[in-house]
Amino acid sequence: AQTVTQSQPEMSVQEAETVTLSCTYDTSESDYYLFWYKQPPSRQMILVIRQEAYKQQNATENRFSVNFQKAAKSFSLKISDSQLGDAAMYFCAYRTYGAGSYQLTFGKGTKLSVIP
Amino acid sequence: DVKVTQSSRYLVKRTGEKVFLECVQDMDHENMFWYRQDPGLGLRLIYFSYDVKMKEKGDIPEGYSVSREKKERFSLILESASTNQTSMYLCASSEQGGNTEAFFGQGTRLTVV
Repeated sequence: AQTVTQSQPEMSVQEAETVTLSCTYDTSESDYYLFWYKQPPSRQMILVIRQEAYKQQNATENRFSVNFQKAAKSFSLKISDSQLGDAAMYFCAYRTYGAGSYQLTFGKGTKLSVIP
Repeated sequence: DVKVTQSSRYLVKRTGEKVFLECVQDMDHENMFWYRQDPGLGLRLIYFSYDVKMKEKGDIPEGYSVSREKKERFSLILESASTNQTSMYLCASSEQGGNTEAFFGQGTRLTVV
Protein backbone atom coordinates (compact mmCIF):
# COMPACT_ATOMS: atom_id res chain seq x y z
CA ALA A 1 0.00 0.00 0.00
CA GLN A 2 1.10 3.50 -0.73
CA THR A 3 1.86 5.93 2.07
CA VAL A 4 2.21 9.70 2.00
CA THR A 5 4.26 11.55 4.61
CA GLN A 6 4.16 15.24 5.41
CA SER A 7 6.85 15.83 8.01
CA GLN A 8 5.91 19.42 8.88
CA PRO A 9 2.70 19.60 10.93
CA GLU A 10 2.87 23.40 11.00
CA MET A 11 4.72 26.10 9.15
CA SER A 12 4.62 29.86 8.94
CA VAL A 13 5.70 32.40 6.36
CA GLN A 14 5.85 36.16 6.14
CA GLU A 15 3.51 37.77 3.68
CA ALA A 16 5.19 38.18 0.26
CA GLU A 17 7.86 35.61 1.10
CA THR A 18 8.34 32.10 -0.28
CA VAL A 19 7.64 28.87 1.58
CA THR A 20 8.15 25.21 0.68
CA LEU A 21 6.00 22.39 2.06
CA SER A 22 7.48 18.91 2.03
CA CYS A 23 5.91 15.64 0.97
CA THR A 24 7.40 12.20 0.51
CA TYR A 25 5.65 9.03 -0.54
CA ASP A 26 6.30 5.36 -0.70
CA THR A 27 5.29 3.29 -3.70
CA SER A 28 6.54 0.44 -5.85
CA GLU A 29 4.71 1.73 -8.92
CA SER A 30 6.39 3.58 -11.74
CA ASP A 31 3.39 5.56 -12.91
CA TYR A 32 1.08 7.51 -10.62
CA TYR A 33 -0.36 10.93 -9.92
CA LEU A 34 0.43 13.40 -7.18
CA PHE A 35 -1.68 16.28 -5.91
CA TRP A 36 -1.63 19.15 -3.47
CA TYR A 37 -4.95 20.16 -1.95
CA LYS A 38 -5.70 23.23 0.14
CA GLN A 39 -8.30 23.41 2.92
CA PRO A 40 -8.88 26.98 4.13
CA PRO A 41 -10.40 27.41 7.61
CA SER A 42 -14.05 26.36 7.55
CA ARG A 43 -14.02 26.10 3.78
CA GLN A 44 -14.01 23.36 1.21
CA MET A 45 -10.95 21.45 0.10
CA ILE A 46 -9.74 22.57 -3.32
CA LEU A 47 -7.09 21.36 -5.73
CA VAL A 48 -3.93 23.46 -5.88
CA ILE A 49 -1.78 21.58 -8.34
CA ARG A 50 -1.27 18.12 -9.83
CA GLN A 51 1.63 16.19 -11.34
CA GLU A 52 1.80 13.06 -13.50
CA ALA A 53 4.79 10.92 -12.53
CA TYR A 54 5.66 10.18 -16.15
CA LYS A 55 6.16 13.89 -16.84
CA GLN A 56 9.59 15.13 -15.90
CA GLN A 57 8.64 18.79 -16.05
CA ASN A 58 7.52 20.23 -12.73
CA ALA A 59 3.94 21.51 -12.67
CA THR A 60 3.27 25.21 -12.11
CA GLU A 61 0.05 27.11 -11.37
CA ASN A 62 0.63 30.84 -10.98
CA ARG A 63 2.38 31.31 -7.59
CA PHE A 64 2.33 27.58 -6.86
CA SER A 65 4.94 25.17 -8.18
CA VAL A 66 6.20 21.74 -7.31
CA ASN A 67 9.61 20.16 -7.07
CA PHE A 68 9.04 16.57 -8.15
CA GLN A 69 11.97 14.25 -7.50
CA LYS A 70 10.85 10.82 -8.67
CA ALA A 71 13.92 8.89 -7.59
CA ALA A 72 13.74 10.40 -4.12
CA LYS A 73 9.95 10.00 -4.03
CA SER A 74 9.62 13.62 -3.05
CA PHE A 75 6.93 16.10 -4.08
CA SER A 76 7.30 19.49 -2.42
CA LEU A 77 5.06 22.52 -2.93
CA LYS A 78 6.54 26.00 -3.27
CA ILE A 79 4.35 29.02 -2.68
CA SER A 80 5.84 32.27 -3.93
CA ASP A 81 4.78 35.77 -2.89
CA SER A 82 2.68 34.36 -0.05
CA GLN A 83 -0.66 36.03 0.59
CA LEU A 84 -2.93 36.07 3.62
CA GLY A 85 -5.39 33.92 1.69
CA ASP A 86 -2.82 31.15 1.44
CA ALA A 87 -3.28 30.37 5.14
CA ALA A 88 -4.77 26.88 5.21
CA MET A 89 -4.17 23.19 5.74
CA TYR A 90 -2.28 21.71 2.81
CA PHE A 91 -2.56 18.04 1.98
CA CYS A 92 -0.35 16.03 -0.33
CA ALA A 93 -2.10 13.13 -2.05
CA TYR A 94 -1.23 10.13 -4.21
CA ARG A 95 -3.29 8.22 -6.73
CA THR A 96 -2.44 5.04 -8.61
CA TYR A 97 -2.21 5.16 -12.39
CA GLY A 98 -4.47 3.14 -14.64
CA ALA A 99 -7.67 1.16 -14.41
CA GLY A 100 -9.13 1.11 -10.96
CA SER A 101 -7.33 4.29 -10.00
CA TYR A 102 -10.02 5.58 -7.77
CA GLN A 103 -8.94 6.56 -4.34
CA LEU A 104 -6.63 9.31 -3.19
CA THR A 105 -4.23 8.55 -0.36
CA PHE A 106 -3.57 11.66 1.72
CA GLY A 107 -0.81 12.77 4.01
CA LYS A 108 -1.61 14.12 7.46
CA GLY A 109 -1.39 17.72 6.35
CA THR A 110 0.64 20.84 7.02
CA LYS A 111 -0.97 23.88 8.61
CA LEU A 112 0.38 27.02 6.99
CA SER A 113 0.12 30.37 8.73
CA VAL A 114 0.82 33.63 6.90
CA ILE A 115 2.17 36.48 9.03
CA PRO A 116 1.21 39.99 7.91
CA ASP B 1 -20.22 26.06 -10.87
CA VAL B 2 -19.51 22.47 -9.87
CA LYS B 3 -20.88 21.40 -6.56
CA VAL B 4 -20.76 18.66 -3.98
CA THR B 5 -23.32 19.22 -1.27
CA GLN B 6 -23.48 17.51 2.10
CA SER B 7 -26.85 17.56 3.81
CA SER B 8 -25.67 18.88 7.17
CA ARG B 9 -22.82 21.12 8.29
CA TYR B 10 -23.14 20.15 11.96
CA LEU B 11 -24.83 17.15 13.51
CA VAL B 12 -25.19 15.95 17.10
CA LYS B 13 -26.37 12.38 17.70
CA ARG B 14 -26.66 10.07 20.65
CA THR B 15 -24.72 6.87 21.13
CA GLY B 16 -26.49 3.95 19.52
CA GLU B 17 -28.47 6.04 17.04
CA LYS B 18 -28.50 5.19 13.34
CA VAL B 19 -27.03 8.15 11.47
CA PHE B 20 -27.32 9.04 7.80
CA LEU B 21 -24.92 11.46 6.11
CA GLU B 22 -26.04 12.45 2.65
CA CYS B 23 -23.95 13.72 -0.24
CA VAL B 24 -25.13 14.93 -3.64
CA GLN B 25 -23.03 15.97 -6.64
CA ASP B 26 -24.23 17.73 -9.77
CA MET B 27 -21.32 16.93 -12.07
CA ASP B 28 -22.38 13.47 -13.30
CA HIS B 29 -19.23 11.99 -11.77
CA GLU B 30 -18.78 8.23 -11.66
CA ASN B 31 -16.67 8.16 -8.51
CA MET B 32 -17.79 9.21 -5.07
CA PHE B 33 -15.94 8.97 -1.77
CA TRP B 34 -16.42 9.30 1.95
CA TYR B 35 -13.44 10.41 4.02
CA ARG B 36 -13.04 10.97 7.71
CA GLN B 37 -10.80 13.84 8.83
CA ASP B 38 -9.24 13.92 12.30
CA PRO B 39 -6.54 16.28 13.61
CA GLY B 40 -3.09 14.79 13.16
CA LEU B 41 -4.42 11.90 11.09
CA GLY B 42 -5.29 13.65 7.85
CA LEU B 43 -8.00 12.20 5.62
CA ARG B 44 -8.76 8.50 5.77
CA LEU B 45 -10.95 6.78 3.24
CA ILE B 46 -14.02 5.02 4.61
CA TYR B 47 -15.77 3.83 1.44
CA PHE B 48 -15.89 4.71 -2.23
CA SER B 49 -18.15 3.96 -5.15
CA TYR B 50 -17.25 3.91 -8.84
CA ASP B 51 -20.75 3.29 -10.16
CA VAL B 52 -24.35 3.10 -9.06
CA LYS B 53 -24.88 0.28 -6.56
CA MET B 54 -21.14 -0.43 -6.53
CA LYS B 55 -19.09 0.13 -3.39
CA GLU B 56 -15.63 -0.68 -2.15
CA LYS B 57 -14.18 -0.57 1.34
CA GLY B 58 -11.52 1.98 2.06
CA ASP B 59 -9.01 1.98 4.86
CA ILE B 60 -11.40 2.32 7.82
CA PRO B 61 -14.82 0.82 6.92
CA GLU B 62 -15.58 -0.72 10.31
CA GLY B 63 -18.76 0.68 11.83
CA TYR B 64 -19.90 2.25 8.56
CA SER B 65 -21.89 1.28 5.51
CA VAL B 66 -22.81 3.16 2.33
CA SER B 67 -25.54 3.32 -0.25
CA ARG B 68 -25.52 4.55 -3.82
CA GLU B 69 -28.90 4.05 -5.46
CA LYS B 70 -28.54 6.99 -7.85
CA LYS B 71 -25.45 8.30 -9.59
CA GLU B 72 -25.59 11.71 -7.95
CA ARG B 73 -26.15 10.57 -4.37
CA PHE B 74 -23.85 8.72 -1.98
CA SER B 75 -24.93 8.11 1.59
CA LEU B 76 -22.80 7.18 4.58
CA ILE B 77 -24.55 5.22 7.32
CA LEU B 78 -23.44 4.76 10.89
CA GLU B 79 -25.46 1.74 11.98
CA SER B 80 -25.00 2.39 15.69
CA ALA B 81 -23.14 5.60 16.40
CA SER B 82 -20.37 5.54 18.95
CA THR B 83 -18.36 8.34 20.55
CA ASN B 84 -15.22 7.34 18.63
CA GLN B 85 -17.05 8.23 15.43
CA THR B 86 -17.11 11.88 16.44
CA SER B 87 -15.26 13.49 13.55
CA MET B 88 -15.39 15.61 10.41
CA TYR B 89 -16.77 13.70 7.43
CA LEU B 90 -15.92 14.78 3.90
CA CYS B 91 -17.64 13.64 0.74
CA ALA B 92 -15.91 13.93 -2.64
CA SER B 93 -16.57 13.06 -6.25
CA SER B 94 -14.48 12.77 -9.40
CA GLU B 95 -14.58 11.58 -12.97
CA GLN B 96 -12.92 8.33 -13.94
CA GLY B 97 -9.19 8.60 -14.54
CA GLY B 98 -6.13 8.97 -12.40
CA ASN B 99 -5.34 12.61 -12.92
CA THR B 100 -8.86 13.90 -12.45
CA GLU B 101 -9.61 16.44 -9.80
CA ALA B 102 -11.62 15.41 -6.76
CA PHE B 103 -14.29 17.90 -5.70
CA PHE B 104 -15.14 18.04 -2.03
CA GLY B 105 -18.20 18.97 -0.06
CA GLN B 106 -18.09 21.42 2.82
CA GLY B 107 -17.91 18.66 5.41
CA THR B 108 -20.18 17.45 8.19
CA ARG B 109 -18.98 17.88 11.75
CA LEU B 110 -20.57 14.94 13.60
CA THR B 111 -20.58 14.80 17.39
CA VAL B 112 -21.76 11.62 19.08
CA VAL B 113 -22.69 12.10 22.73
